[in-house]
Amino acid sequence: DIQMTQSPSSLSASVGDSVTITCQASQDISKYLNWYQQKLGTAPKVLIYDASKLERGVPSRFSGSGSGTYFTFTISSLQPEDIATYYCQQYDTLPITFGQGTRLEIK
Amino acid sequence: EVHLVESGGGVVRPGGSLRLSCAASGFTFDDYAMSWVRQAPGKGLEWISGINWNGGSSRYADSVKGRFTISRDNAKKSLYLQLSSLRAEDTAFYYCARGLRSGPLVWGHGTLVTVSS
Repeated sequence: DIQMTQSPSSLSASVGDSVTITCQASQDISKYLNWYQQKLGTAPKVLIYDASKLERGVPSRFSGSGSGTYFTFTISSLQPEDIATYYCQQYDTLPITFGQGTRLEIK
Repeated sequence: EVHLVESGGGVVRPGGSLRLSCAASGFTFDDYAMSWVRQAPGKGLEWISGINWNGGSSRYADSVKGRFTISRDNAKKSLYLQLSSLRAEDTAFYYCARGLRSGPLVWGHGTLVTVSS
């Protein structure tokens, strides 16, 4: 199985800050990586697909980059409504695997 | 708009069985592979099973292989997951999701399965 190592596991930042989460795959997954946001008590929602494509309707402050084994997810100007847990997910090879998640808090 | 509604969750004793259903709308159901993903309370996401568009091919995570069975009925636009030989560690929210190995998953709201004596 492909292991997805996501870091940090938690993050605290101020409104307006730029925050970055990284995800490292245990083998080459090309661009087949998605980023999800999960707010408390709700299902995950895709923000970025194919490593860098912004899902329709998602604010442009969210972005993703990378290919192969190393990926980053950035929120350029943190907003209070961005409080959530974020997950990366690879779909290059079954089984689909997720990163451990990053819990984002506002200072 | 894609709409996925899971049902069938509840409390079941260890060793028991349960059948989850997922009703799909807002897209052409038989154009898509489908998945089940679960999340233990306070924990991360675990993909557990997927099925291709016509039900001819399915895959399972090792953690559920031989105990869970995925199926679909395209005429009813529905996805199913039969859970058997349930264990305490199967306690989780179970999400139905559109997709498998093409693009992002689109999720239902989830249904809670609690395995407890």
